[in-house]
Amino acid sequence: QTVVTQEPSLTVSPGGTVTLTCASNTGAVTSAYYPNWFQQKPGQAPRALIYSTSNKHSWTPARFSGSLLGGKAALTLSGVQPEDEAEYYCLLYYGGAQPWVFGGGTKLTVL
Amino acid sequence: EVQLVESGGGLVQPGRSLRLSCTASGFTFGDYAMSWVRQAPGKGLEWVGFIRRKAYGGTTEYAASVKGRFTISRDDSKSIAYLQMNSLKTEDTAVYYCARVAVGALIRDFDYWGQGTLVTVSS
Repeated sequence: QTVVTQEPSLTVSPGGTVTLTCASNTGAVTSAYYPNWFQQKPGQAPRALIYSTSNKHSWTPARFSGSLLGGKAALTLSGVQPEDEAEYYCLLYYGGAQPWVFGGGTKLTVL
Repeated sequence: EVQLVESGGGLVQPGRSLRLSCTASGFTFGDYAMSWVRQAPGKGLEWVGFIRRKAYGGTTEYAASVKGRFTISRDDSKSIAYLQMNSLKTEDTAVYYCARVAVGALIRDFDYWGQGTLVTVSS
């Protein structure tokens, strides 16, 4: 069974920098997994932030960036704002009969 | 403006069926794959299934938890994607989201999402 693991929770101070990671139990995450990152606030639908590892949408704030780091997909927030407090999910592509798997999510607290 | 609107959710008894719709606007529906994602109360996101563009056969893939019970289809003439859910179980209770999926040589992008529709499976 494919499992994608994220930090359950992280806390960051306003203006600080934080990196969220996304690991696969199948091995190192590469660009072939096309990592996607989403932000979800309570009561709202997920919002796409990053696709295919590091590509931003037109609405993605510049302080968000995606990368590969130490065999994992990573989402870095630089200059965190209070409104960045949310749940963040990664999504990896495995192809085959069950191509997509979400991570369990990271609850980011800005404190 | 791209919009995705889910409908068809509600309360249903275990073992019964329900069909969800995802009505799209603001883009050429046939040019995109579509996916369904669900979120049980207080839980994380779970990928449910995916339907390719007709140009790629319009074929489907499903999560193991729903395979054989759920069916995704699409009507490009109406810009609607469907999720037919049969033999529903209490553990299928969730908000169901549809998402547009851009697929290319170097792209996999779940870019736009609907607001979701709640399905409650209970006797």
